Amino acid sequence: GAGVSQSPSNKVTEKGKDVELRCDPISGHTALYWYRQSLGQGLEFLIYFQGNSAPDKSGLPSDRFSAERTGGSVSTLTIQRTQQEDSAVYLCASSLLAGVSYEQYFGPGTRLTVT
Amino acid sequence: QQPVQSPQAVILREGEDAVINCSSSKALYSVHWYRQKHGEAPVFLMILLKGGEQKGHEKISASFNEKKQQSSLYLTASQLSYSGTYFCGTEEPGGSYIPTFGRGTSLIVHP
Repeated sequence: GAGVSQSPSNKVTEKGKDVELRCDPISGHTALYWYRQSLGQGLEFLIYFQGNSAPDKSGLPSDRFSAERTGGSVSTLTIQRTQQEDSAVYLCASSLLAGVSYEQYFGPGTRLTVT
Repeated sequence: QQPVQSPQAVILREGEDAVINCSSSKALYSVHWYRQKHGEAPVFLMILLKGGEQKGHEKISASFNEKKQQSSLYLTASQLSYSGTYFCGTEEPGGSYIPTFGRGTSLIVHP
């Protein structure tokens, strides 16, 4: 059984460019989460989806960040006009349902470096 | 509200025990524990729910003290494979379905 996959695994981009990060959740998982992990900062919540809708976008750091999910499966996190402070590892996770008793399965992450 | 984890780092020899604590300033409904090895994705260890229900996949024990608003993860007879960074994630009653994660506790087990 395939786990959560993310692409690309590494992305180096110039300041000001747009980037798209992709997440493929585990088949059948209806909830999908995006986190950002900077060195020594733990896991910073960005956004989550239940199905195709995003009930909680409160973690998105600015309006340069957006995310969508189509067909209840693949999700794309887009960062426009990237800044150096956007450099981090972006992790995606999925769970069977969104809820307090459902464990999350994480993907390997995308390491984003903005030069 | 980000939970506070303590200690920040632990260095052990194989076979020794360790306790990692996770504290919140608010009432908790659930506590999640994950372990992340260097360069890898976090892996689920355990969920503890208010009322005592506990779900886990490994032989690691934990406690959830609702009154003290804290959880502790107990690693006994540590093995080299226990090395990694341990994160707790907490959820408050009536909150969203998103655990708020602490900054992590780094655990290093030496032979």
